[in-house]
Amino acid sequence: KAGVTQTPRYLIKTRGQQVTLSCSPISGHRSVSWYQQTPGQGLQFLFEYFSETQRNKGNFPGRFSGRQFSNSRSEMNVSTLELGDSALYLCASRQTPGGASGELFFGEGSRLTVL
Amino acid sequence: GESVGLHLPTLSVQEGDNSIINCAYSNSASDYFIWYKQESGKGPQFIIDIRSNMDKRQGQRVTVLLNKTVKHLSLQIAATQPGDSAVYFCAENIGNPGDMRFGAGTRLTVKP
Repeated sequence: KAGVTQTPRYLIKTRGQQVTLSCSPISGHRSVSWYQQTPGQGLQFLFEYFSETQRNKGNFPGRFSGRQFSNSRSEMNVSTLELGDSALYLCASRQTPGGASGELFFGEGSRLTVL
Repeated sequence: GESVGLHLPTLSVQEGDNSIINCAYSNSASDYFIWYKQESGKGPQFIIDIRSNMDKRQGQRVTVLLNKTVKHLSLQIAATQPGDSAVYFCAENIGNPGDMRFGAGTRLTVKP
């Protein structure tokens, strides 16, 4: 069974640009969550999607958005990039949403550098 | 332990010793907890979980202890091996429906 797949693995952007990251969950998993990981703030929850609907959102500005497709694949977008957006963006999937429903399976992440 | 900021708490142990990693969680209503291990360049990997109706759970070489009175979680690793070197995160489920929120992490280094 293939794991969570994130693309691209590495990317470099400049301030003001926008970026789209992609995540393919484990087959059969319908919930996808996104996290931002930085040395200063650790792992911070961005949002969770289930059945193409955002069901929960963390404390991030509106520049951070996402969506989920009917095949459960998800994308997240960051517009008007700032230097502070440089981070590892992690996607995680599970069969059903809700924090107590079981473990999150993480991908390897997309490392974004903003210059 | 837990801290917010630039520096991860670190724990250095000798190979073969037991390790104890601590975590103070934030919400007394949290009902589910997970310990994750993250090796350099990889995403976090599940180690063990525990629900709030339990105070102890054992896995292979690992034990999680939950003290709800003081909102404290610990991960015990028996006979620590070099392959255990990583950053360890505790995560708690907050809210209903909830999502998993992560602590700052602890870096474990195992000396051969």
